Amino acid sequence: GAVVSQHPSRVICKSGTSVKIECRSLDFQATTMFWYRQFPKQSLMLMATSNEGSKATYEQGVEKDKFLINHASLTLSTLTVTSAHPEDSSFYICSARDQGQGVSGYTFGSGTRLTVV
Amino acid sequence: QKEVEQNSGPLSVPEGAIASLNCTYSDRGSQSFFWYRQYSGKSPELIMSIYSNGDKEDGRFTAQLNKASQYVSLLIRDSQPSDSATYLCAVNPNDYKLSFGAGTTVTVRA
Repeated sequence: GAVVSQHPSRVICKSGTSVKIECRSLDFQATTMFWYRQFPKQSLMLMATSNEGSKATYEQGVEKDKFLINHASLTLSTLTVTSAHPEDSSFYICSARDQGQGVSGYTFGSGTRLTVV
Repeated sequence: QKEVEQNSGPLSVPEGAIASLNCTYSDRGSQSFFWYRQYSGKSPELIMSIYSNGDKEDGRFTAQLNKASQYVSLLIRDSQPSDSATYLCAVNPNDYKLSFGAGTTVTVRA
């Protein structure tokens, strides 16, 4: 089945620094990837939709200058949390859709636990 | 009104019992419905998808969809301790992104 690889799985950074998270589709091409954030005991909240070769589409309330998304190829999307603050500490998860599997083809990466100290 | 709502839980069931999870959605035009299981600290994994009214069975899991009532449910038969997790209902309202419910945490007592 479709596999999405996400790295790093866990990162601790100092307040004010930037952190990059990578999401790769390993055995399929993904023109669209999705970035979610999940706070403890809450559901997944879609942050943005990453589109290969074009600008990402951000959900309402998500700062595009703070959460930079780059989707430079059909297999790689990156999320950079810039000038991170403790309130950005969360579980970030990417998802990609394998078009070949139709509407059921949403696969999630393993997630990145970000802690800002 | 939230796009996707789930019974809040938590739900505790004895081993071997049936766990029943419910979900309602607001977008009547939605066509695809999913149940994901998420273990603590892990990302969601797809356990069931359903697109047509009626029941769909896969092993111990049965998904039920009623589009007229905008309702989708998941039954877990013969619940096992390994089924203890949070179950997320997801709806595909516009064919390219998913909307998730808040999740229902299930605990299966041995």
